[in-house]
Amino acid sequence: GDSVTQMEGPVTLSEEAFLTINCTYTATGYPSLFWYVQYPGEGLQLLLKATKADDKGSNKGFEATYRKETTSFHLEKGSVQVSDSAVYFCALSDPYSSASKIIFGSGTRLSIRP
Amino acid sequence: EAGVAQSPRYKIIEKRQSVAFWCNPISGHATLYWYQQILGQGPKLLIQFQNNGVVDDSQLPKDRFSAERLKGVDSTLKIQPAKLEDSAVYLCASSPAGLGNEQFFGPGTRLTVL
Repeated sequence: GDSVTQMEGPVTLSEEAFLTINCTYTATGYPSLFWYVQYPGEGLQLLLKATKADDKGSNKGFEATYRKETTSFHLEKGSVQVSDSAVYFCALSDPYSSASKIIFGSGTRLSIRP
Repeated sequence: EAGVAQSPRYKIIEKRQSVAFWCNPISGHATLYWYQQILGQGPKLLIQFQNNGVVDDSQLPKDRFSAERLKGVDSTLKIQPAKLEDSAVYLCASSPAGLGNEQFFGPGTRLTVL
């Protein structure tokens, strides 16, 4: 079945460092790909998404590019801030399924030091 | 626009007791989801409703879990009897009708089974 694998955390960086969180997926079709973020004490929020190969999703300085050839959707940010500390989930969904459920990775906890 | 509401936010029970969670989705959203998020893992879909009909409950442990969505609006998820391994955060999400629409998540209910 479809699945998502993302790098294990926790990841600890200093403020203004470059961030990469790796994510790869397995899917039989052509899924939509997502990054969700969960700030402390809050619910999951959609951070960005891409719906087809070579699409780049971006939001709040974060970017991820849908790479079909490597089945990857790595999350990047050029300069992280303390406020980016959260848990990040890579996820996929089959947009053509009658039950458009989301399959999540296990999450990567990110901590940013001032 | 009000978000997805869930209650209670926290619940502690003894094993073999019963518990119920409530979710009120965003107004007008036809699709409602219940996810289970065990500590250190990504959310896993338990059940998906389209209006008041079940679309996918393949991962719902039906011997102890039940869910309903009366009148296609609010939903309740019940566990009876609870086991230690049911300790998790239970997330409710909703989305507009149609394929590939964004899911909006509530803050979740943290359940601890002692």
